[in-house]
Amino acid sequence: GQQLNQSPQSMFIQEGEDVSMNCTSSSIFNTWLWYKQDPGEGPVLLIALYKAGELTSNGRLTAQFGITRKDSFLNISASIPSDVGIYFCAGPAGGTSYGKLTFGQGTILTVHP
Amino acid sequence: DAGVTQSPTHLIKTRGQQVTLRCSPKSGHDTVSWYQQALGQGPQFIFQYYEEEERQRGNFPDRFSGHQFPNYSSELNVNALLLGDSALYLCASSLGPRIGETEAFFGQGTRLTVV
Repeated sequence: GQQLNQSPQSMFIQEGEDVSMNCTSSSIFNTWLWYKQDPGEGPVLLIALYKAGELTSNGRLTAQFGITRKDSFLNISASIPSDVGIYFCAGPAGGTSYGKLTFGQGTILTVHP
Repeated sequence: DAGVTQSPTHLIKTRGQQVTLRCSPKSGHDTVSWYQQALGQGPQFIFQYYEEEERQRGNFPDRFSGHQFPNYSSELNVNALLLGDSALYLCASSLGPRIGETEAFFGQGTRLTVV
């Protein structure tokens, strides 16, 4: 089946630093989604990307849909302590399979004050 | 506007028992999907319900079953519980099926521990 590989697996940064993480797939995705999960909570949607090459921002977050449709990256600028959590990329399995999402294994972000 | 709500939040069961988890979708949503998230992993798709029928299923055994009610709420049932079923079970609601609209909103999850 389709798999999403996220890197890095974990990051330890200082408050104020910029962060970059990415997600790759061996197959094409038509939609890329980025979620954040806090401990004991469900994932919260941060950014949705629908077109190859699309660059979308949400506050300090910026995400891009790769031209090949096999990758995506998420950047966080000027990190703050509340950015701590696990970041997941996800996409609909089978390309147009609505609602059935495949998730990456997550990037754990730790921000030191 | 209430988001996705799940109950209970925590549950402890014994091996071999059966469990039922419940989910109420976000207002206006008609599709419910269930995911299993093991510790340190991303969520894994179990199945999806739309119009009270199972529409899609992931790679989970028949011990996992579900139901959707006319008000769009849903239940996840797991029979003959195994230790490996211990996980966070997430419910996600969305509008569907509509090509291109794949935003799914998740509940806070039910933490199931099998002992």
